[in-house]
Amino acid sequence: AQSVTQLGSHVSVSEGALVLLRCNYSSSVPPYLFWYVQYPNQGLQLLLKYTSAATLVKGINGFEAEFKKSETSFHLTKPSAHMSDAAEYFCAVSLGGTSYGKLTFGQGTILTVHP
Amino acid sequence: KAGVTQTPRYLIKTRGQQVTLSCSPISGHRSVSWYQQTPGQGLQFLFEYFSETQRNKGNFPGRFSGRQFSNSRSEMNVSTLELGDSALYLCASSLAEGGVHNEQFFGPGTRLTVL
Repeated sequence: AQSVTQLGSHVSVSEGALVLLRCNYSSSVPPYLFWYVQYPNQGLQLLLKYTSAATLVKGINGFEAEFKKSETSFHLTKPSAHMSDAAEYFCAVSLGGTSYGKLTFGQGTILTVHP
Repeated sequence: KAGVTQTPRYLIKTRGQQVTLSCSPISGHRSVSWYQQTPGQGLQFLFEYFSETQRNKGNFPGRFSGRQFSNSRSEMNVSTLELGDSALYLCASSLAEGGVHNEQFFGPGTRLTVL
């Protein structure tokens, strides 16, 4: 069975600082990995996805993530935080194929950005 | 293209009642997945429908059910509501093209409160 662990339920950074949100996964088959962002009272918005192509994935709003198979990690980074990045971030894994439509999510990381 | 829409956005029910939530996917998307989001359990997969057939199901009791119509719109029903059913219910749609894993696009959710 697949699972996702997000290290740190809360991360706080200063505006302009590096953002690093950690995600580790476990999967018995090559996974598809996603990062989503959720703003208050809204649904989830896809930031980026890894589907076995390039290991460094670039997403929207300046975010990127690197798939490291040896570390079973898919950490999300952004070089310079903006106030508008404050939100909750979710890492998710899918096996694709017959695990139709099922994403398994981590517990989420709330990102706070200080001026 | 219009995004995923969910109605109603907010709902208040009492224990023992039943509720029906509606989801309209992005035009052309044939797969609809449902998730429950709570502070304690996070995001959990309920079920997925494709071409009016349930292809996958999460670990929820039989009180939770769903269906999909020929136009891909989907509904989920919760019968005999319990206090613990209070949650944000998210619907997501995807193309679900054969052999290709597609990302899921989420609606804004329906906030259900059970009193």
